[in-house]
Amino acid sequence: DVKVTQSSRYLVKRTGEKVFLECVQDMDHENMFWYRQDPGLGLRLIYFSYDVKMKEKGDIPEGYSVSREKKERFSLILESASTNQTSMYLCASSSPDRGRAGELFFGEGSRLTVL
Amino acid sequence: GQNIDQPTEMTATEGAIVQINCTYQTSGFNGLFWYQQHAGEAPTFLSYNVLDGLEEKGRFSSFLSRSKGYSYLLLKELQMKDSASYLCAVNGSNYQLIWGAGTKLIIKP
Repeated sequence: DVKVTQSSRYLVKRTGEKVFLECVQDMDHENMFWYRQDPGLGLRLIYFSYDVKMKEKGDIPEGYSVSREKKERFSLILESASTNQTSMYLCASSSPDRGRAGELFFGEGSRLTVL
Repeated sequence: GQNIDQPTEMTATEGAIVQINCTYQTSGFNGLFWYQQHAGEAPTFLSYNVLDGLEEKGRFSSFLSRSKGYSYLLLKELQMKDSASYLCAVNGSNYQLIWGAGTKLIIKP
């Protein structure tokens, strides 16, 4: 069964802490994405990557960075967490077929609370 | 700007049929996707339309009209487990998905 795995389902952090969210996929997908989801706003793209060592900013990259050292792993980093980064974070992957690039496979999500 | 509109919430009865509409205005179009998301879970892929017309998959069907910037998801023989949010997303000009805010569907017995 294909899978996208996120390291933590629930995290509670304090303002100013550094936060790492890990995502691993076993489908050999080139494309990987990080979204955040907030009520009434839909999914917003933070960063994405089409290949190892490659990263592109999405719609809301401020306050975040990413790392893609291996094809199967895409990490999201909050250098200094703030309360407005309290959210559900979703990792996703997709195949490089551009027509089907919108068929995303999501991880279970990481609900982050910043106090 | 780019925009995707869908109703915030809908209510339907078990066993009935419901249609969830999605209208979009995007700078490019490379397909429209519907996802289902149960509360507290990740979205899962339901359907993909790139050409005009109806795509049927069991109890679920999705329709697209590119000239009208319009799609709908049709759910038949509703079951309680269909209670979820349904997300409409368009693959835009740069092959990035543009998401609607989602429609929360409540099924009543």
